[in-house]
Amino acid sequence: NAGVTQTPKFQVLKTGQSMTLQCAQDMNHEYMSWYRQDPGMGLRLIHYSVGAGITDQGEVPNGYNVSRSTTEDFPLRLLSAAPSQTSVYFCASSSGLYNEQFFGPGTRLTVL
Amino acid sequence: SQQGEEDPQALSIQEGENATMNCSYKTSINNLQWYRQNSGRGLVHLILIRSNEREKHSGRLRVTLDTSKKSSSLLITASRAADTASYFCATADNYGQNFVFGPGTRLSVLP
Repeated sequence: NAGVTQTPKFQVLKTGQSMTLQCAQDMNHEYMSWYRQDPGMGLRLIHYSVGAGITDQGEVPNGYNVSRSTTEDFPLRLLSAAPSQTSVYFCASSSGLYNEQFFGPGTRLTVL
Repeated sequence: SQQGEEDPQALSIQEGENATMNCSYKTSINNLQWYRQNSGRGLVHLILIRSNEREKHSGRLRVTLDTSKKSSSLLITASRAADTASYFCATADNYGQNFVFGPGTRLSVLP
């Protein structure tokens, strides 16, 4: 099993550009989520999904969109990148809302 | 808003010593989990303790939970240089919401 994979590992964007961060898991987990991690801070939840076709907002959803068309994939879209979105983004999956989460290796995003 | 808050923010110890980190939270929880993050990597799950449990062990890890004080502690015994990492607590509440992570404790184990 590959676990949770994320692409790309690094990305540099200019202000106003859009892009999609990819996340995939091969553990048949229903629950998937996106977090951002800023220096000296814990992870903050952006969006999450409890199953295909179901998504909801987390703590910091503004500027991001998600969709969940399959159990395996949960892409995160930045609509119009801003410097405040410079961060490390982690995708995670879990077999249940209250179970341990498995994290991907992260995407380091810089917005100039 | 942050649910979990770890204490201390940073901890430096010698190899072989024990390391204790604390986590406080604000609302009732379903469970509390501890994660480790090595520099530049994703988080790795260490241990989960449910709200009806008071203590749990896993190898050199010992976690306690005091729901009356809304606090938890993570003890790493006989620390090794490889334990150098950031440690985060995360809480899951009872309302179907999601995990909330604290800012973490940076542990440095010196050889």
